[in-house]
Amino acid sequence: NAGVTQTPKFQVLKTGQSMTLQCAQDMNHNSMYWYRQDPGMGLRLIYYSASEGTTDKGEVPNGYNVSRLNKREFSLRLESAAPSQTSVYFCASRPTGQSNYEQYFGPGTRLTVT
Amino acid sequence: AQSVSQHNHHVILSEAASLELGCNYSYGGTVNLFWYVQYPGQHLQLLLKYFSGDPLVKGIKGFEAEFIKSKFSFNLRKPSVQWSDTAEYFCAVSATDSWGKFQFGAGTQVVVTP
Repeated sequence: NAGVTQTPKFQVLKTGQSMTLQCAQDMNHNSMYWYRQDPGMGLRLIYYSASEGTTDKGEVPNGYNVSRLNKREFSLRLESAAPSQTSVYFCASRPTGQSNYEQYFGPGTRLTVT
Repeated sequence: AQSVSQHNHHVILSEAASLELGCNYSYGGTVNLFWYVQYPGQHLQLLLKYFSGDPLVKGIKGFEAEFIKSKFSFNLRKPSVQWSDTAEYFCAVSATDSWGKFQFGAGTQVVVTP
């Protein structure tokens, strides 16, 4: 199993450009999550999808949209990138059924907005 | 709302020293508790978790953590660190009724010197 994969690994955007970060998991997990990681702030939840067909806002959703394309894939879109969105983005997935299951993380996408 | 506080942002240790990282959370209900580690340039990996039973849990690589309910704490310990333990450590909390949403602490950067 590849686990959780993310593309691209690195990206540089100019202010105002748009892009989509891709995430896929092959563990048959129901729930998927997008986080951003900034120095001194830990991981903050942007959006999550508890199950296929549902998405909900997390702590810092402004400036982002998501699509749960199917059970495997959960994409994050920046419609008009801003320098404040410079960050490392992690996708995670988790099985449902028991509340104590952990989240499994992808390798991250390092995004710079100039 | 949940919150997680990690006491130290940076810790520098010599090899063979003991490590203890503090984590406190605030939430009135039942929680699951996790410690994740992020080695340089890598994604987050689970070190250990607590959800019920013995409050002293053992994880990978010689790490352990103790849940003290009365203090809302879940401190991570390792008796003797190695240079390879240089990493960032994150405490995370998930309420049992939260659809698997995690609240992460800000992280503690640990540097182990030879």
